[in-house]
Amino acid sequence: GAGVSQSPSNKVTEKGKDVELRCDPISGHTALYWYRQSLGQGLEFLIYFQGNSAPDKSGLPSDRFSAERTGGSVSTLTIQRTQQEDSAVYLCASSSVGQGAYGYTFGSGTRLTVV
Amino acid sequence: LAKTTQPISMDSYEGQEVNITCSHNNIATNDYITWYQQFPSQGPRFIIQGYKTKVTNEVASLFIPADRKSSTLSLPRVSLSDTAVYYCLVGDDRDDKIIFGKGTRLHILP
Repeated sequence: GAGVSQSPSNKVTEKGKDVELRCDPISGHTALYWYRQSLGQGLEFLIYFQGNSAPDKSGLPSDRFSAERTGGSVSTLTIQRTQQEDSAVYLCASSSVGQGAYGYTFGSGTRLTVV
Repeated sequence: LAKTTQPISMDSYEGQEVNITCSHNNIATNDYITWYQQFPSQGPRFIIQGYKTKVTNEVASLFIPADRKSSTLSLPRVSLSDTAVYYCLVGDDRDDKIIFGKGTRLHILP
């Protein structure tokens, strides 16, 4: 597609439930990133996928968070047993290799509210 | 990745020129300086990148002094629609992920 697509755009879930957030990157972009942004805060790095390499999971806040990327394209971020502190906007970005900070394209995010 | 420091917030008025300065004392030789803009309810978007001296595009100008330890994003004749958060980033094209700071929250008043 023309841009990075994220779904759903909004998600309200009950505490303790599992949620899945989806990201469709720009076609041909080999790198995919997930960030989290709490209200009024900056972006917190969560996880990074690059081609067939093992993902960089160094930003995942707990073992309740996991992500996968199938076929080098679509990615799903899963949060198990959601907590109220998980409420935030989850942003996905993709880029081509070698572009560094120049080439990130972000989606509009999924606003997650845990009640 | 070099750390950056920028003001938490700024206010300005429509029609004014706004300058946001970012400090990056530990910038490395291969590092570029990149600015992103984030409107409410949207993901950040790239606005400008530079290495030294001055870069200008249709959105903004970026001024980088010779020592490259700081940079200034300049927005000419701002409008209400320029209200956003502006992030200063430093790194090179080998960096595999961007670490965003809290950015500068710019509020344009009528």
